[in-house]
Amino acid sequence: EAQVTQNPRYLITVTGKKLTVTCSQNMNHEYMSWYRQDPGLGLRQIYYSMNVEVTDKGDVPEGYKVSRKEKRNFPLILESPSPNQTSLYFCASSLSAGLVSGELFFGEGSRLTVL
Amino acid sequence: AQSVTQPDIHITVSEGASLELRCNYSYGATPYLFWYVQSPGQGLQLLLKYFSGDTLVQGIKGFEAEFKRSQSSFNLRKPSVHWSDAAEYFCAVLNNDMRFGAGTRLTVKP
Repeated sequence: EAQVTQNPRYLITVTGKKLTVTCSQNMNHEYMSWYRQDPGLGLRQIYYSMNVEVTDKGDVPEGYKVSRKEKRNFPLILESPSPNQTSLYFCASSLSAGLVSGELFFGEGSRLTVL
Repeated sequence: AQSVTQPDIHITVSEGASLELRCNYSYGATPYLFWYVQSPGQGLQLLLKYFSGDTLVQGIKGFEAEFKRSQSSFNLRKPSVHWSDAAEYFCAVLNNDMRFGAGTRLTVKP
């Protein structure tokens, strides 16, 4: 089944404790992206990747890192989480780097709470 | 600045009633336009998209949307809402990258 898989789905952590949210897609998509969803703000892009070893900042990259060593994986790293990073995170992928297909495929989300 | 606006944060309709969710965008050229739906606890799913051509586009689950260039709008409609349509709906615009509106939460009354 074609899907985007995120782990963990739920996580409670404490300020400063490094964490990684994994994202994997099995559709051979070139484009992958991370969003955070906050009430009243919709989805805001954190980082995106047009292809392997190519990553770029989105609108809200501060406090996050990403890597794209393989086409299928795009982990989101919080080196030193802070409470303002408490949010619902979505990974998404799309067939082509230019998003010309227009369709993003989303994971089910990872709800992160930073105490 | 480029933006996507969904003026309604929350809408409540009765089951069987018609629905219209508003979306306005602010871009220099005609962008590609999308509507996504997010059911509780789920990721987003594409409902429909507009790239060019006929300004009335049909989507899944009985939804349609109309692009109106003069109004910079792309409103989502459904003639008769079902209880299972309760969800959050996001308008999105693709210019250089995908931008989402803040979302409209739909509640369906029995």
